[in-house]
Amino acid sequence: TQLLEQSPQFLSIQEGENLTVYCNSSSVFSSLQWYRQEPGEGPVLLVTVVTGGEVKKLKRLTFQFGDARKDSSLHITAAQPGDTGLYLCAGAIRTGNQFYFGTGTSLTVIP
Amino acid sequence: NAGVTQTPKFQVLKTGQSMTLQCAQDMNHEYMSWYRQDPGMGLRLIHYSVGAGITDQGEVPNGYNVSRSTTEDFPLRLLSAAPSQTSVYFCASSYSGGFRGELPGTQYFGPGTRLLVL
Repeated sequence: TQLLEQSPQFLSIQEGENLTVYCNSSSVFSSLQWYRQEPGEGPVLLVTVVTGGEVKKLKRLTFQFGDARKDSSLHITAAQPGDTGLYLCAGAIRTGNQFYFGTGTSLTVIP
Repeated sequence: NAGVTQTPKFQVLKTGQSMTLQCAQDMNHEYMSWYRQDPGMGLRLIHYSVGAGITDQGEVPNGYNVSRSTTEDFPLRLLSAAPSQTSVYFCASSYSGGFRGELPGTQYFGPGTRLLVL
């Protein structure tokens, strides 16, 4: 059983549409990160959130950390083909020394 | 800076063979880790290190050994390869792990090693 569950697992949308990816857990995290991974490469960090309720914006991407620090969401406005990739959330457990990754959301933006 | 480098890029092993996956970073990062990535399961932590001489187990450590004799290098050893170890392996490094309330550093990932065990 994965500590962090992401939904949806696959998402295929038209260019210009909006979308939201969810990252959920029953555990509390001291911090949570979002990564994007392209085929044949390692993940690249997009953002880190550390405060419950925190919202961060990165151009057309909006990241939110849940008030209880158990969940997070990634919202993309007006998706573009360059947004295509695998999106991964990762959380650090407050009392542990490990980073746990989510199951991943594979996004395809069709021109 | 070269960042995080991994060798080899591809490897095919027979069941029972041993091998070492190499990982090196030139950013003077304290925290290094090894992950495996399998379809539909994201990345799972195998082993990690918070500094030279210190290693600990992650989620899926069985069948793998690590050591950290220097800050720069963090090799992963498969002592007796099994088909269940077929996967893509990523090494990552950062200034800090982000646990115990500290702000996590950016994890920089290597390009990965694709391993097939027959």
